[in-house]
Amino acid sequence: EAGVAQSPRYKIIEKRQSVAFWCNPISGHATLYWYQQILGQGPKLLIQFQNNGVVDDSQLPKDRFSAERLKGVDSTLKIQPAKLEDSAVYLCASSLGGEGNQPQHFGDGTRLSIL
Amino acid sequence: KQEVTQIPAALSVPEGENLVLNCSFTDSAIYNLQWFRQDPGKGLTSLLLIQSSQREQTSGRLNASLDKSSGRSTLYIAASQPGDSATYLCAVPLPGGNQFYFGTGTSLTVIP
Repeated sequence: EAGVAQSPRYKIIEKRQSVAFWCNPISGHATLYWYQQILGQGPKLLIQFQNNGVVDDSQLPKDRFSAERLKGVDSTLKIQPAKLEDSAVYLCASSLGGEGNQPQHFGDGTRLSIL
Repeated sequence: KQEVTQIPAALSVPEGENLVLNCSFTDSAIYNLQWFRQDPGKGLTSLLLIQSSQREQTSGRLNASLDKSSGRSTLYIAASQPGDSATYLCAVPLPGGNQFYFGTGTSLTVIP
């Protein structure tokens, strides 16, 4: 079974620039999550999709972050404009369902550095 | 709001030793608790998931226990190996399952 795919693995940009990350979940997984993991901390949920609908985006800084999951499969997360505090690893995860009783499977993440 | 704490933040042990990692959470109304492993520069790998109705789960040298009433879980690693060196995180969802709360992790180093 192929795992969760993310790209790019690394990205370095200057503050105020924009950046986009891509995620392809495990085939058949209806639920997709984007997490932000700052160095030394546990992942923090940014947004959760169930198929192509948003279930929870309460911790997404909507003035600069946006995400979409067209056709309920792949997803993109965008930051525009980036700030220094956005430097982190952005992890994508997927699960069969979003009820909390299903294990989450993670990609290797995209490490973002803001100069 | 759920708060998840992991102690210790870092642990260094000689190879072959048995060890225990701790996870505590403030809201006991959880569906389950999941333990993950994270290697440097990698995503999280699920190790064990304990449903709220269970007391423990085992996988190979790993054993995880759950005590909802006291808000605690432990991950026991038997006969540790250098390959076990990684950061271990626990995570709990709240009812409704929309929000997973992660601990800050325990960084484990097993010395050959």
